[in-house]
Amino acid sequence: GENVEQHPSTLSVQEGDSAVIKCTYSDSASNYFPWYKQELGKGPQLIIDIRSNVGEKKDQRIAVTLNKTAKHFSLHITETQPEDSAVYFCAASTPSGTYKYIFGTGTRLKVLA
Amino acid sequence: EAQVTQNPRYLITVTGKKLTVTCSQNMNHEYMSWYRQDPGLGLRQIYYSMNVEVTDKGDVPEGYKVSRKEKRNFPLILESPSPNQTSLYFCASSLSGRVYEQYFGPGTRLTVT
Repeated sequence: GENVEQHPSTLSVQEGDSAVIKCTYSDSASNYFPWYKQELGKGPQLIIDIRSNVGEKKDQRIAVTLNKTAKHFSLHITETQPEDSAVYFCAASTPSGTYKYIFGTGTRLKVLA
Repeated sequence: EAQVTQNPRYLITVTGKKLTVTCSQNMNHEYMSWYRQDPGLGLRQIYYSMNVEVTDKGDVPEGYKVSRKEKRNFPLILESPSPNQTSLYFCASSLSGRVYEQYFGPGTRLTVT
């Protein structure tokens, strides 16, 4: 079945450094790729998303890149701050047929002050 | 305030005792979904609903039931809970199933002994 692999599972960076989280999906029909941030004790919250007709999208310190040929997409956070510490999930959605969302297993990001 | 609410937030129950976790959204969203979150496994979709009276299985539907009689409500029913259903459950909604941001509830932590 459809699968989304996410790496790394944990990531520690110094404040001010960049962080990169990578995901690979299996269903070539997927065309929507959101990233969610989950803070302790809360539900996930969308931080950025990308659709398959776009290769890159930026929003201030956050960017997402998509390589459809390789079925890879990545989250880039620059100038990390302590408040970026959280669990990040990637997901892939196939908005036709099944309308399922498949999430990655999550990355725990720790930004060290 | 636009939100997804879940009740209860915490529940400890015994094997075989039927329970219902309620989910309600006030955003007039068509698409609603239930997920369970387990360590190392990320978020896995249990059931989703494209609209009233339209529901479909996600990746892990065994042991769960849902209903969508009204647009705003999407209860999750465990007819005969078992210890392997101990998990953190999230309800989510989005404008439609077609590539729109999902809004997550605060989560329900369920323990089945």
